[in-house]
Amino acid sequence: AQSVTQLDSHVSVSEGTPVLLRCNYSSSYSPSLFWYVQHPNKGLQLLLKYTSAATLVKGINGFEAEFKKSETSFHLTKPSAHMSDAAEYFCVVSEGGAAGNKLTFGGGTRVLVKP
Amino acid sequence: NAGVTQTPKFRVLKTGQSMTLLCAQDMNHEYMYWYRQDPGMGLRLIHYSVGEGTTAKGEVPDGYNVSRLKKQNFLLGLESAAPSQTSVYFCASRGTGQNYGYTFGSGTRLTVV
Repeated sequence: AQSVTQLDSHVSVSEGTPVLLRCNYSSSYSPSLFWYVQHPNKGLQLLLKYTSAATLVKGINGFEAEFKKSETSFHLTKPSAHMSDAAEYFCVVSEGGAAGNKLTFGGGTRVLVKP
Repeated sequence: NAGVTQTPKFRVLKTGQSMTLLCAQDMNHEYMYWYRQDPGMGLRLIHYSVGEGTTAKGEVPDGYNVSRLKKQNFLLGLESAAPSQTSVYFCASRGTGQNYGYTFGSGTRLTVV
């Protein structure tokens, strides 16, 4: 069975400083991994995805994530936070199989950006 | 724009009432999913479909039914709503091959009083 743990439920950063959102996963197979962002009262937007190609994945809006199999981690980073980055972020794992690659979500990390 | 459309966006139900949430996608995706989002729990899978005419149970299926009569539509039904079903519901569809990835609808906020 697959599972996802987001290690911080809340992260507070100052505008212009780096952002780090931590994610650990467990999976019986070679997983696909995603980061989604959800702004208040909005749907989910895909930031980036890892599907067994390059381990360093670049996404939209300056975000990137590194897949580390030995550490079962997929941490999300951004060098310089912007006020518009204030949102909730979800780390997601997907495995193959007859169930049609169901997604398993982490509990989410809420990011606050201070001016 | 191509994507996933959910209707309605908001709804208030009384306990025991029934309703159907509609999800429509125009990307010719085979796979479709219904999730519910509750605070601190991320999204949890209710039911899913791997193609027209097929449905299967997810992680939290009790109290819900689904149908996939047409490839582009995936309906989620609540036969007798309960306050525990107060949640935000998201539909998603998934592409395959080079189009692998999930597209989510904007959500339906349901309150059961």
